[in-house]
Amino acid sequence: SQTIHQWPATLVQPVGSPLSLECTVEGTSNPNLYWYRQAAGRGLQLLFYSVGIGQISSEVPQNLSASRPQDRQFILSSKKLLLSDSGFYLCAWKKGGHTGELFFGEGSRLTVL
Amino acid sequence: AQSVTQLDSQVPVFEEAPVELRCNYSSSVSVYLFWYVQYPNQGLQLLLKYLSGSTLVKGINGFEAEFNKSQTSFHLRKPSVHISDTAEYFCAVSELSGGYQKVTFGTGTKLQVIP
Repeated sequence: SQTIHQWPATLVQPVGSPLSLECTVEGTSNPNLYWYRQAAGRGLQLLFYSVGIGQISSEVPQNLSASRPQDRQFILSSKKLLLSDSGFYLCAWKKGGHTGELFFGEGSRLTVL
Repeated sequence: AQSVTQLDSQVPVFEEAPVELRCNYSSSVSVYLFWYVQYPNQGLQLLLKYLSGSTLVKGINGFEAEFNKSQTSFHLRKPSVHISDTAEYFCAVSELSGGYQKVTFGTGTKLQVIP
């Protein structure tokens, strides 16, 4: 069966420090991968998606970047965090086909102080 | 461009009472529709989905939703809620855009079940 894992689960970082959140998927190949950010009262905002290794698309301009160094690995990064980067970050993957059904990781809560 | 509207940010309901969580969408093409549930500090889990066929869709935990194309709605219902249904519920619409399946979420509805 397929599984998706994110880490770390929680992170407290000072403003201006770097960030690296990692997401891995097991049990499937060539998944579509997504990073979402969830802020209170604003639902889920799509940050990045990837259809393959090295292929990253950004939905909104921001202080963050994403990379996909391996087929089942998706990394969210920042060189210098801002206060506004605080939030709950969710990684998700999509099965083959076009149903658009997403499977989510457990989430990573980032607090920038 | 597609969008999803969940007008109710919070819905309090007594235990064993029925509940309806509203969702309206807009899209220029055929879409797939989903409801997800999120428990505190966790990721989202799929409750149910509409892809095609019968407009009444049944999901897990006794939930169901009805797709209404003329009203562009996909409301979620449960005839009798339990305390364990307290969670946040997200409606989502998916359509093919730019070569990939773009999924747009509503802002969520917090369901609070009162004992």
